[in-house]
Amino acid sequence: ETGVTQSPTHLIKTRGQQVTLRCSSQSGHNTVSWYQQALGQGPQFIFQYYREEENGRGNFPPRFSGLQFPNYSSELNVNALELDDSALYLCASSSGKGLLVWYEQFFGPGTRLTVL
Amino acid sequence: QQQVKQSPQSLIVQKGGIPIINCAYENTAFDYFPWYQQFPGKGPALLIAIRPDVSEKKEGRFTISFNKSAKQFSLHIMDSQPGDSATYFCAATHYTSGTYKYIFGTGTRLKVLA
Repeated sequence: ETGVTQSPTHLIKTRGQQVTLRCSSQSGHNTVSWYQQALGQGPQFIFQYYREEENGRGNFPPRFSGLQFPNYSSELNVNALELDDSALYLCASSSGKGLLVWYEQFFGPGTRLTVL
Repeated sequence: QQQVKQSPQSLIVQKGGIPIINCAYENTAFDYFPWYQQFPGKGPALLIAIRPDVSEKKEGRFTISFNKSAKQFSLHIMDSQPGDSATYFCAATHYTSGTYKYIFGTGTRLKVLA
């Protein structure tokens, strides 16, 4: 059973650019959640995808968007990058059953994004 | 009301000591309380979790104590080892608006001295 993987590991962008981060969920999991973790802080919920549809969103602007694919992998897209977007971006996968998303979430290693 | 307050911010103990990390919450709808361990450059790893219908849960050297009336829960690490040096996050969640949103504490950086 493979765990959650994310790519790339590190990324450097300049303000105003766009970025795409990728996540492969753990085998058997159909739900992916994305989090932003600023330095020295706890992860903050961005949004969640369940069976290819957005299934909840945190307090992040629309320039943060995502996709989930039929194989349950996911992308996080951020447009018009700002300096404050510099953070570790984490995805977490879990196993949903019907409309009930199970509690346990398993995190990937994260993508470190630096915006200059 | 959606916050989870975690303390202390950092903690240093000797090997074999019992560090205790505390979290407090306001939202009584929360019904699942996990603890995560995070090493530098890695994602958080689920350590142990508790539901509010029990007051204590043990897994190996890790124990969660839960006080529902006080809306507090804590992590105890028995016989702590240098390898336990990491950042620990508490979290809380409940089903709302079609999903489980995890609310994380701000983290406790633990250092266990050899």
